[in-house]
Amino acid sequence: GQQVMQIPQYQHVQEGEDFTTYCNSSTTLSNIQWYKQRPGGHPVFLIQLVKSGEVKKQKRLTFQFGEAKKNSSLHITATQTTDVGTYFCAGLTSGTYKYIFGTGTRLKVLA
Amino acid sequence: GAGVSQSPSNKVTEKGKDVELRCDPISGHTALYWYRQSLGQGLEFLIYFQGNSAPDKSGLPSDRFSAERTGGSVSTLTIQRTQQEDSAVYLCASSLDSEKLFFGSGTQLSVL
Repeated sequence: GQQVMQIPQYQHVQEGEDFTTYCNSSTTLSNIQWYKQRPGGHPVFLIQLVKSGEVKKQKRLTFQFGEAKKNSSLHITATQTTDVGTYFCAGLTSGTYKYIFGTGTRLKVLA
Repeated sequence: GAGVSQSPSNKVTEKGKDVELRCDPISGHTALYWYRQSLGQGLEFLIYFQGNSAPDKSGLPSDRFSAERTGGSVSTLTIQRTQQEDSAVYLCASSLDSEKLFFGSGTQLSVL
């Protein structure tokens, strides 16, 4: 079955450092979404990417969708303590409506 | 309502008992998802409802798990003869035509 892996599993950074998480799918995706889950909270939608090679920015966050539509990345510039949480990608395969979530990357930011 | 509502927020049950978890999606959202999240883990897909179409049940882990969605709105996830490995947070999400998912706060299920 379809699998979506994320690396790294954990990342500790000093406040102000950059952070990147990578998402890889075993199958080609029709679109990919990114979610953030704060400790003790539920996942909250960040962004959706649809086109091959697409790049989107939200303030300090940059999202990319790979040319083959099988991988994606989230990059945070100059992390802040408010960035703490677990970041999940969620991929959708063409012909289905079943979002398969990645394994997640837990980010800790040290002040 | 303003968001996805799930009840109860916490449920403690004894092994072998049946439990029902409820999800009230955002009004007008046609798609409804159930996911399971074990402590510190990712989200495991369970089941998906879209309008009047047959649900996608491919993620249900065993025949002890079932779900229904009445009138295209409220959904109930039922777990029969609960086992300790069923302990997890059960998350419900709704969306408009499978666009971005809006999650509820989840039900923390503990099976003793």
